[in-house]
Amino acid sequence: GNSVTQMEGPVTLSEEAFLTINCTYTATGYPSLFWYVQYPGEGLQLLLKATKADDKGSNKGFEATYRKETTSFHLEKGSVQVSDSAVYFCAPFGAGGTSYGKLTFGQGTILTVHP
Amino acid sequence: NAGVTQTPKFRVLKTGQSMTLLCAQDMNHEYMYWYRQDPGMGLRLIHYSVGEGTTAKGEVPDGYNVSRLKKQNFLLGLESAAPSQTSVYFCASRFLVAQFFGPGTRLTVL
Repeated sequence: GNSVTQMEGPVTLSEEAFLTINCTYTATGYPSLFWYVQYPGEGLQLLLKATKADDKGSNKGFEATYRKETTSFHLEKGSVQVSDSAVYFCAPFGAGGTSYGKLTFGQGTILTVHP
Repeated sequence: NAGVTQTPKFRVLKTGQSMTLLCAQDMNHEYMYWYRQDPGMGLRLIHYSVGEGTTAKGEVPDGYNVSRLKKQNFLLGLESAAPSQTSVYFCASRFLVAQFFGPGTRLTVL
């Protein structure tokens, strides 16, 4: 099955700083890769995805590139805002031999952005 | 289009009590999932369903039961609640590779 190692938090940054949250995975086959975001008191929302090697997912200024050779999917943003404060989850998705399409979540990285 | 909704939002139970969490989706998705979220552990899959009338166990199914009598609803039951089941519960439905999550139910078992 799939597994995820995600950068431990919490991560604390000043507004307009550069953000990187590392994510590496192990998987059977070639999974699709996702980043989900959870704002305080809310459920998870899909932030971005990449479905094959070298694809770059992007949304709301965030980017992540599917690196098959390093099995990584690091999340980056050039200039964070206070409103980006949330918990970020890396999640590979793939059949992995199952029929139900399982998402495997990392433990989450708490990001706090100060003005 | 409400997406995925969950009822209730909060609940406090005493040890040994039972309850049912309701998840509803209006997107006609076949796949539905129940997760629990605990601090430092991400989300763990409890049960899932690949279509109306079908259910199966996920990673942490003990102490929970589910039913999918209608395509749009996925119920999670606790027959005899235990303090270890204190958690935030999320339901999700899936279309292709993307999962859509409900807002969560915060359950406390005393």
